[in-house]
Amino acid sequence: AQSVTQLDSQVPVFEEAPVELRCNYSSSVSVYLFWYVQYPNQGLQLLLKYLSGSTLVKGINGFEAEFNKSQTSFHLRKPSVHISDTAEYFCAVSAGGATNKLIFGTGTLLAVQP
Amino acid sequence: NAGVTQTPKFQVLKTGQSMTLQCAQDMNHEYMSWYRQDPGMGLRLIHYSVGAGITDQGEVPNGYNVSRSTTEDFPLRLLSAAPSQTSVYFCASSYSGPAGSGANVLTFGAGSRLTVL
Repeated sequence: AQSVTQLDSQVPVFEEAPVELRCNYSSSVSVYLFWYVQYPNQGLQLLLKYLSGSTLVKGINGFEAEFNKSQTSFHLRKPSVHISDTAEYFCAVSAGGATNKLIFGTGTLLAVQP
Repeated sequence: NAGVTQTPKFQVLKTGQSMTLQCAQDMNHEYMSWYRQDPGMGLRLIHYSVGAGITDQGEVPNGYNVSRSTTEDFPLRLLSAAPSQTSVYFCASSYSGPAGSGANVLTFGAGSRLTVL
């Protein structure tokens, strides 16, 4: 069975500083990995996804993530954050196939301070 | 395009009452699903459907029923609400493309906040 661990429940950071949100997964089959963002009182939006190919994936709003199969990680990074990046970020894994079931991590609250 | 529409946005119920959360999508997606979001627990899959007439259980199905009579609609029913069902509920849909094709990326609704007293 697949599972996802987000090691940090909250990450405080100052504006314009770099940030890394950590995500580790476990799976016995090939995986597809996702990062979603949830702004306050809104639904989830897709930030980026890894399906195959290059292990460095670029998403919206300047975020990127690197798939590391040997470390079973998919950490999210941004070189310089803005106040508007304050949100909750969820890592998710899917075993693919026809069902599209996503298993989510518990989320990381990115709190950007001026 | 409306995308995924959930109604109601907010609902307060008393223990034992029943209600239905509505979910509709206009993207002709085959796959639809319901998640609940609770603090510190992320999102957990309740039920899902790969097409009209086909439904299956997710991680936390107890206390919830679903049906899929049309491609567009996937209602979630609480037959006898309990305080443990206080949560934010999200509906999500996608195409059922080949694995890894990128077609099966979920689109989420805005959520329905349910409080059971």
